Amino acid sequence: QKEVEQDPGPLSVPEGAIVSLNCTYSNSAFQYFMWYRQYSRKGPELLMYTYSSGNKEDGRFTAQVDKSSKYISLFIRDSQPSDSATYLCAAHGSSNTGKLIFGQGTTLQVKP
Amino acid sequence: DSGVTQTPKHLITATGQRVTLRCSPRSGDLSVYWYQQSLDQGLQFLIQYYNGEERAKGNILERFSAQQFPDLHSELNLSSLELGDSALYFCASSEREGAETQYFGPGTRLLVL
Repeated sequence: QKEVEQDPGPLSVPEGAIVSLNCTYSNSAFQYFMWYRQYSRKGPELLMYTYSSGNKEDGRFTAQVDKSSKYISLFIRDSQPSDSATYLCAAHGSSNTGKLIFGQGTTLQVKP
Repeated sequence: DSGVTQTPKHLITATGQRVTLRCSPRSGDLSVYWYQQSLDQGLQFLIQYYNGEERAKGNILERFSAQQFPDLHSELNLSSLELGDSALYFCASSEREGAETQYFGPGTRLLVL
């Protein structure tokens, strides 16, 4: 079992839809959770970072972490065709290293 | 643009050969991380250096080695290359050793023939 599991999709939605992307994790020691966006053939770009449980909002993006159920979510409001990319969740638990454990990534397509 | 630079962008080589990938972190960042991304394994952590010292290791093969130099740039050396080593290799950097915010470079695409 992978430490971070993510449905690879693909997920296809119409422009303007609310998108929900999800991951589960198995390691209780994870405390730091991130969402990265990766366009084809490009490096991952950090979207959101959350420490422990709770919500964090940044513009159209909201990240949620529920440590009790080991569930990580990213919501995208008013989705745009430019949001079409692969979204990767990641986690780590140590304050001494930055060894990120990534999910497989979910491919999102937003259709105009 | 994340501020992390990687060279070369593309590399084509033959099995059994050795290659060196180079990474320059963002200005002020002391930590450098190397990741491998393949279709079947996804994005996998290889190794982390902080201010010249190794900090964490992932499932990095013995044929692979890395170092971080005094000017903080890093090199990833891949030797005795196999077909299965074909992948995207990313470097990331962060300010601190346990930083949750890592900034990724554009990657080096390695093709082993």
